[in-house]
Amino acid sequence: TQLLEQSPQFLSIQEGENLTVYCNSSSVFSSLQWYRQEPGEGPVLLVTVVTGGEVKKLKRLTFQFGDARKDSSLHITAAQPGDTGLYLCAGHNQGGKLIFGQGTELSVKP
Amino acid sequence: DAGVTQSPTHLIKTRGQQVTLRCSPKSGHDTVSWYQQALGQGPQFIFQYYEEEERQRGNFPDRFSGHQFPNYSSELNVNALLLGDSALYLCASSLAGFYEQYFGPGTRLTVT
Repeated sequence: TQLLEQSPQFLSIQEGENLTVYCNSSSVFSSLQWYRQEPGEGPVLLVTVVTGGEVKKLKRLTFQFGDARKDSSLHITAAQPGDTGLYLCAGHNQGGKLIFGQGTELSVKP
Repeated sequence: DAGVTQSPTHLIKTRGQQVTLRCSPKSGHDTVSWYQQALGQGPQFIFQYYEEEERQRGNFPDRFSGHQFPNYSSELNVNALLLGDSALYLCASSLAGFYEQYFGPGTRLTVT
């Protein structure tokens, strides 16, 4: 069974701080995606990475796919209260199924 | 351009009953996937429909079944409901061959 492990599970920081969320697996994924989910809503796709070593930036968010395509990280610079939410990584395995990590609950206090 | 829509928003059922949840995909999408998300957890893949057939299935019992219609909309059926089936059920649509999936707001199912 392929698993994606996210760390940390919970993160509470002050506005303006930087943070990094990690997503790790022992398996190779065809692609990896990051989503953000707010309470009572479905996940919203932030980014898709497909190439080992790929780095993508979305304003203050930086996403990296590991060289071996087994891990990924999300770095947020100067976090704002609006960044609060559940961050989910998800990988497409060789069979095409999308497998989610358990999520990182981020709280940014003003 | 309408995104993914799901109905109903909330549902309360009793143990042993059956439930049907509905999903309309984003315009132009032909593939629908269903997920179960327990509180505090990431979504778990139930199954995926393409060309009106179940193409892939996760580790869910046969009590979970689905259907896709010619207009690409989909239904998720759950029979003999258990308390543990209480969760947020998410539908996601995509275009075959592309990685990006777009999620609906979900249906919150409570089994009492």
